[in-house]
Amino acid sequence: DVKVTQSSRYLVKRTGEKVFLECVQDMDHENMFWYRQDPGLGLRLIYFSYDVKMKEKGDIPEGYSVSREKKERFSLILESASTNQTSMYLCASSLRNQETQYFGPGTRLLVL
Amino acid sequence: RKEVEQDPGPFNVPEGATVAFNCTYSNSASQSFFWYRQDCRKEPKLLMSVYSSGNEDGRFTAQLNRASQYISLLIRDSKLSDSATYLCVVSMTNNDMRFGAGTRLTVKP
Repeated sequence: DVKVTQSSRYLVKRTGEKVFLECVQDMDHENMFWYRQDPGLGLRLIYFSYDVKMKEKGDIPEGYSVSREKKERFSLILESASTNQTSMYLCASSLRNQETQYFGPGTRLLVL
Repeated sequence: RKEVEQDPGPFNVPEGATVAFNCTYSNSASQSFFWYRQDCRKEPKLLMSVYSSGNEDGRFTAQLNRASQYISLLIRDSKLSDSATYLCVVSMTNNDMRFGAGTRLTVKP
C-alpha cells in the first residue's frame, strides 16, 4: 500500500511566522504535489515536483516555496504566513507516467 | 467559469436509493477523467477512472460524454458507508489535474 505521511495534522501559527510542512512517501514515486483545499474551491495546486531538486509552479504559488532534496520528501514552506493561508494542505504523490495520485492525510493550518 | 464544476449538494438519500452526480468541465482538450472520494476530514482517494465507453465497478457506474463535456457517477443501492464527498477530477497530463469542489452525499437509514 502506498503511504503518504504529513508531519502535522493540525498547526496553529501567527502571522509573519515561517512555516514548514513536510511530506514523505514510501513508494519511490517520482511526482509529488502540494495542494490547498478550501470550501467551495476544491483542490488547487500550489507546486509540484517531478524529480529531486526539480519544481514547477502550480496555479497558486504566491507566498509559498518548496524543497525536494530527496526523492521521498517534499516540503512546502510559507515564508511569512498570512491569515489568507489558513487552509487544509494536502500532499500527494504519483508514479512518473501514471495519473493516479495518492494523498497524505492533510494538514489543517490556522494562521492567526 | 470554473474549469470543473459540480453541484455541491448536499444530496440526502435513503439507504437503497439510486443517486447520480454530474460534473462539467471546460477544457475540451482534457484527456483523463476520474472520480475521487473524500470522507469527512480525510484525504481524497481514487474511486474510479472514467473511460469513454463508460465503466462499472460494483454499484458504481461512471460515464463520460466528451461532446457535452460532462462526466457522471451513478451509485445504485446506496449504503450508509457511501456517505462522503465525491470529487470530479479532469486532467490534461499526469501533472495537471483539475479538481471539482465536490458533491456531498449523505445516505440516511
